[in-house]
Amino acid sequence: EAGVAQSPRYKIIEKRQSVAFWCNPISGHATLYWYQQILGQGPKLLIQFQNNGVVDDSQLPKDRFSAERLKGVDSTLKIQPAKLEDSAVYLCASSPWTARDGYTFGSGTRLTVV
Amino acid sequence: SQELEQSPQSLIVQEGKNLTINCTSSKTLYGLYWYKQKYGEGLIFLMMLQKGGEEKSHEKITAKLDEKKQQSSLHITASQPSHAGIYLCGAVDFGNEKLTFGTGTRLTIIP
Repeated sequence: EAGVAQSPRYKIIEKRQSVAFWCNPISGHATLYWYQQILGQGPKLLIQFQNNGVVDDSQLPKDRFSAERLKGVDSTLKIQPAKLEDSAVYLCASSPWTARDGYTFGSGTRLTVV
Repeated sequence: SQELEQSPQSLIVQEGKNLTINCTSSKTLYGLYWYKQKYGEGLIFLMMLQKGGEEKSHEKITAKLDEKKQQSSLHITASQPSHAGIYLCGAVDFGNEKLTFGTGTRLTIIP
């Protein structure tokens, strides 16, 4: 089966610009997760979708970050405006339903804000 | 939510030697994932453990979950350069069904 697809792989932007990341989960996976990983740290969950509904977005900085999964399939994460501290790897993962069913990550998007 | 502590934070091992990485939880683990990551890239699934006392192996890597389900270890036998990277443990958060991660262990293999 095809894995979790993410694009772009790398992005460099200036602070105050906006950026968007795209994720296509494994076909049939109901649950989609976005994580932020500051280099040297473990991944931190930003938002969790189940189908097209938000399950948990408590760690999402809503003043600048937004995410959507309109048709319950692929998802977009946006940052507007970006800050220097947003430099990180943004990881998308999906699972069939719950985390115990299996949890597959994409290859990530490395964002550098200068 | 789960608090996971990994030890050591970094490890430098001579090629061919054995090594162990530990992951300790503040709460009972309902599921524990081990992943490997190359610097700045995505996470590669290694193993998932759910039952107390469970042990799984793949090639030269063995992961165990203790009987009390609060600690897991990852053991690599006869390490190779291909084992170098960052190892992350992730715990399933009961009720929320998401993974919470430790801070990772950076493994370096020297010839």
